[in-house]
Formats: sequence, C-alpha cells, structure tokens
Amino acid sequence: DSGVTQTPKHLITATGQRVTLRCSPRSGDLSVYWYQQSLDQGLQFLIQYYNGEERAKGNILERFSAQQFPDLHSELNLSSLELGDSALYFCASSVEGLADYYEQYFGPGTRLTVT
Amino acid sequence: GQQVMQIPQYQHVQEGEDFTTYCNSSTTLSNIQWYKQRPGGHPVFLIQLVKSGEVKKQKRLTFQFGEAKKNSSLHITATQTTDVGTYFCAGLGRETSGSRLTFGEGTQLTVNP
Repeated sequence: DSGVTQTPKHLITATGQRVTLRCSPRSGDLSVYWYQQSLDQGLQFLIQYYNGEERAKGNILERFSAQQFPDLHSELNLSSLELGDSALYFCASSVEGLADYYEQYFGPGTRLTVT
Repeated sequence: GQQVMQIPQYQHVQEGEDFTTYCNSSTTLSNIQWYKQRPGGHPVFLIQLVKSGEVKKQKRLTFQFGEAKKNSSLHITATQTTDVGTYFCAGLGRETSGSRLTFGEGTQLTVNP
C-alpha cells in the first residue's frame, strides 16, 4: 500500500460524457501527478500540481483539466469523452522536498472504460 | 522535448536466466529512476541513480547510470517468477522545470518456470 488513494477503481461511461477522478496523496506529500496508461503502453504524464498550484503540464488534452485543493487532494476532470480515452489513470504523489530527490508513490489507478 | 527510450519492449526468459533492460535519453539527465509494475498493479519505485557512472545493487538487481548520464540499465541475475512485470525507467532532464519525470515505454518481462 503506497498511501495514495484513488477513487473510483473502475468507471464505465459513454462517449460524450464527463467524469471526475479523485486522488488523495500520501500524508505530507505536496505534489500530485496524473498519468495516463493505455493498454500495454507506457506512462504518459498529464499534469502536476504542487501545493495547490499547477507546476508542469504534459500531454494533457484540452478536454481534460485538473486541480489540487487546499487539503491537497486532487481531481482530474475528463469531458467530452471519446473511445480513445479508455485507459488506466494513475495518480502519484511525492514530497517534492530536495531538488533532485522525489520518488513518486503511485495510487492503485482508476480504470476508465468509454463505450 | 526530452525523450526516453527503453529496449527491449518485451523479454521472455526461462527461470534462472539473466535479464537486462536498457534506457537511453535524448538529453543529459539529472537523475534516473526505475519502477516496477506487476501485472494488474501500479508502478512501484525501485531505485534512483544520481551520479555519473553510479552502480547500485538490490539483491539480484543491478542498476547502472552511464558516465554521460544519458543512459541506464537494469540487470537481473537468475530471474525468478516473482520478477515478472514491466520495468520502467524515468529520467529527469536538467532543463526540465517542474520536476517532471519522463518515463520510458517499459520492458515487459515474463519468466517461464
């Protein structure tokens, strides 16, 4: 157990719909990262938040957005869903303390299926 | 932008054989991390390498960081069925802001008993 929680575990929805994925980081971690993993694919970085502020952006579509709340939990919003958005979505957290050391702790993921 | 390439994509070995996966970056890295993802699981941090030419060992696993800090390898000696999973390298580029790791595509290891 990494200490990172994600809800829901599974989500099945139809094309065109909007969903929200939730992540709670490990206690004390200020950074939250979102990744997308399609079938047999690597981890595609979407976005990072640090202490409530957006820190870095990766290959995140305009239909997707995220935020980090004062209690440090984060939500990833996916809208106008397409079949190709079906994937595993991982949240990870890190301390983001020292400049060169910040191992990431991954949550169990949310499996999104768009039908 | 920074790219991290990992080979091979798949590796099938007999239990007891050795296994190596290689990671190459298009740019010099500040550090490199390795993660393991078991089938149906989530990535789990294994190790971080920071220094040029660094070598670290964890039991049967040996991790190396190249002298130029642009490549890395993970070697497993005498594989066991518990080694099954996908191994990812992830590099932090010096020019990268926001502490963003770039993950390789991963090497999927299967071990036949």
